[in-house]
Amino acid sequence: GQNIDQPTEMTATEGAIVQINCTYQTSGFNGLFWYQQHAGEAPTFLSYNVLDGLEEKGRFSSFLSRSKGYSYLLLKELQMKDSASYLCAVRDPGGGNTGKLIFGQGTTLQVKP
Amino acid sequence: DSGVTQTPKHLITATGQRVTLRCSPRSGDLSVYWYQQSLDQGLQFLIQYYNGEERAKGNILERFSAQQFPDLHSELNLSSLELGDSALYFCASSVALGKEQFFGPGTRLTVL
Repeated sequence: GQNIDQPTEMTATEGAIVQINCTYQTSGFNGLFWYQQHAGEAPTFLSYNVLDGLEEKGRFSSFLSRSKGYSYLLLKELQMKDSASYLCAVRDPGGGNTGKLIFGQGTTLQVKP
Repeated sequence: DSGVTQTPKHLITATGQRVTLRCSPRSGDLSVYWYQQSLDQGLQFLIQYYNGEERAKGNILERFSAQQFPDLHSELNLSSLELGDSALYFCASSVALGKEQFFGPGTRLTVL
């Protein structure tokens, strides 16, 4: 089966840097996504990794190590509006070319002044 | 605004009833996905359509069905509703398989 693990909650201070980890155990690999979700709202796409290494996008970066089944999302210069849930998702590596995503439970980040 | 629209925004109904949730994908997107999000389960994939055809199925209950129409909008039908079906239902679309998915605002279903 497929399993994705993330910490349930994290707290950080405004202006700081925070790293949210995600580990996955899947039969194969087909790409990993990070989404941000504010309470009661739709998830919004943050980043996509399919090859090992770091992808940088403004204040947000995402890293992938396929051999370790590990990814992290790095948020710099934290702002209060970054308080949200961060969802790690892997594209279903099962047979057939689908876009099906398997989501972790999400990490709720609270940014404090 | 992702460009994906969903109606209705809220739906309150009783057990045993049937409802239809509607989704219009972003212009040009051929793939539509349905997800269920409840408090204790996180985001769960239900079903995917690509250009009118079913492409992938998750742990979707037999009481649930979906379709994608020639104009690419999609409907999710939920029947014989139970209390446990209360959840946020999201539709997402992508331009191609494997590309990032853009989520609609969701339909909050409450079954009383």
